[in-house]
Amino acid sequence: GAGVSQSPRYKVAKRGQDVALRCDPISGHVSLFWYQQALGQGPEFLTYFQNEAQLDKSGLPSDRFFAERPEGSVSTLKIQRTQQEDSAVYLCASSLDNADTQYFGPGTRLTVL
Amino acid sequence: AQKVTQAQTEISVVEKEDVTLDCVYETRDTTYYLFWYKQPPSGELVFLIRRNSFDEQNEISGRYSWNFQKSTSSFNFTITASQVVDSAVYFCALSEVYNAGNNRKLIWGLGTSLAVNP
Repeated sequence: GAGVSQSPRYKVAKRGQDVALRCDPISGHVSLFWYQQALGQGPEFLTYFQNEAQLDKSGLPSDRFFAERPEGSVSTLKIQRTQQEDSAVYLCASSLDNADTQYFGPGTRLTVL
Repeated sequence: AQKVTQAQTEISVVEKEDVTLDCVYETRDTTYYLFWYKQPPSGELVFLIRRNSFDEQNEISGRYSWNFQKSTSSFNFTITASQVVDSAVYFCALSEVYNAGNNRKLIWGLGTSLAVNP
């Protein structure tokens, strides 16, 4: 079956632009996670959804970051007024439920100039 | 606090050598999960194994094996007869339970970059 997909794969933004990153989880997966991975580092948790409910957004680095999953399937991570420090790979993962194994998408590499 | 330490930043071996990647974790939870993921140059994180804290049996899958020891809080990963295709960054991760068990998030090590040379 299809895995987690993310789009775009690469995004270049000028500082100050808004960006939107999309994640399509595995069909039927209740839980969806967003992570940020800086170069040479492990992923860092950003936020977590169970169906359409955002149960934890403690990892979002600032109020410029916003995530939604309005129908409990596709999720969008939005970054407003991008800054250079936002440059990273943004990873989406989904799991059957919150205790299950997380399966990752290919990531979106964001470069802010 | 929950923490995962992968002390080996980079390892370089010659093909057919065995190699062990170390992972040490810290947690206050009595129930937790440990994971290994592989991240090849393409960037996608590939799930390798998940281990429940109550199951200390070692696991073997082909050339891969895992040694889980609660007494030393370690979950080490061994690749036998390494191949060039094993070259990747390998991450160990701990599943942290919080919010009365309703939420989980993965706490990650910094990864070990493995280079297998022909």
